[in-house]
Amino acid sequence: QVQLVESGGGVVQPGGSLRLSCAASGFTFSNYGMHWVRQAPGKGLEWVAFIHFDGSNKYYADSVKGRFTISRDNSKNTLYLQMNSLRAGDTAVYYCAKDRSAYSWVISANDYWGQGTLVTVSS
Amino acid sequence: QSALTQPASVSGSPGQSITISCTGTSSDIGNYNYVSWYQQHPGKAPKLMIYEVTNRPSGVSIRFSGSKSGNTASLTISGLQAEDEADYYCSSYTTTSTGVFGTGTKVTVL
Repeated sequence: QVQLVESGGGVVQPGGSLRLSCAASGFTFSNYGMHWVRQAPGKGLEWVAFIHFDGSNKYYADSVKGRFTISRDNSKNTLYLQMNSLRAGDTAVYYCAKDRSAYSWVISANDYWGQGTLVTVSS
Repeated sequence: QSALTQPASVSGSPGQSITISCTGTSSDIGNYNYVSWYQQHPGKAPKLMIYEVTNRPSGVSIRFSGSKSGNTASLTISGLQAEDEADYYCSSYTTTSTGVFGTGTKVTVL
């Protein structure tokens, strides 16, 4: 069965950095695009970033562009999110999610989600 | 990348049908059939309910259906049940190759 397990969340000061990881299993990781989606406490879902199945293209929300970097290691079945210059507004549960279409160059839908990891930006 | 617009709340009695709207623009919903819907219970990860406007993943009840007209997509829940009480989000692909979610709708079963 498909499993996505996020790790790396925690408390960080404003201006600090954090790297999230998402370990994938139960499917051929290298065939699917992957996403990061976040949810601030008591708020709605916000799409953060998407990386193509082969890592060739990456897309970001305007709110994180230039500060966050999505990457993947297909040999380790792992997705990453490097977060720099963190702000209080980045405080959220961060979910990794699998795109449902194999070898797709577009965003179809997120068919599997991890349990999320909480990032708190506070002094 | 403005969020898609959804009503904050929708309610209905058990057995009734309700419809949640999701309004975007010609840069997202109006330009693609990559519209999806998610159900989220408190403290849980979202669950995919509809993809590519009208398609249900395996295991999702046939009581859930999707449609689209112009820049607006809709999710209809028929035969409303207590377990349907949750938050619902729409999502769409955009012309800048990014994703965007809706503002979210809280469904209450009276």
